[in-house]
Amino acid sequence: NAGVMQNPRHLVRRRGQEARLRCSPMKGHSHVYWYRQLPEEGLKFMVYLQKENIIDESGMPKERFSAEFPKEGPSILRIQQVVRGDSAAYFCASSPMGHIYNEQFFGPGTRLTVL
Amino acid sequence: QQQVKQSPQSLIVQKGGISIINCAYENTAFDYFPWYQQFPGKGPALLIAIRPDVSEKKEGRFTISFNKSAKQFSLHIMDSQPGDSATYFCAASIRGGSGSARQLTFGSGTQLTVLP
Repeated sequence: NAGVMQNPRHLVRRRGQEARLRCSPMKGHSHVYWYRQLPEEGLKFMVYLQKENIIDESGMPKERFSAEFPKEGPSILRIQQVVRGDSAAYFCASSPMGHIYNEQFFGPGTRLTVL
Repeated sequence: QQQVKQSPQSLIVQKGGISIINCAYENTAFDYFPWYQQFPGKGPALLIAIRPDVSEKKEGRFTISFNKSAKQFSLHIMDSQPGDSATYFCAASIRGGSGSARQLTFGSGTQLTVLP
């Protein structure tokens, strides 16, 4: 059973470009979470999605950031018009449906560098 | 109120020693407290977790101690090994309004170095 997969692992963008980060949850998992980790800091929650639904986006910046989890295919975190402050590691986690504590399994992350 | 405060920021322990990492929280609605281990360039991996209805949980060399009244919990690593050198994060979560939503609130991390 493959773990959570994220790609690309490293992404370099220039200011003003768009960044698309992909996350494939573990097989059988229907819940996806995105977290951002700034250097020397803990992970900060961004958004929680189930298939075709955004359940909680309270941690998402109001502008330029969006997320989706379509019926088919991976979850995508999209950052438009990136700025240097967006440079961080972005982690996706997945959990199975019905687990009361929703144990979350993390992917290896995408490290975004904005030049 | 959603914060989880973690200390120390870094910790150096001799091989065979005990590593202790502490966390404190404010939100009494938190009901699940996992610890994650993260190696450089990797994602966090669940190490051990506890619910507030127990005061201690042990798995191998790893023990969580939980003090509900003080709103504190700690990770103890017995017989620390060089392979334990990693960053450790405490976290807490609460069941969300939608029923299944459980965002994790992380501490700031402790970088553990175990000397051979």
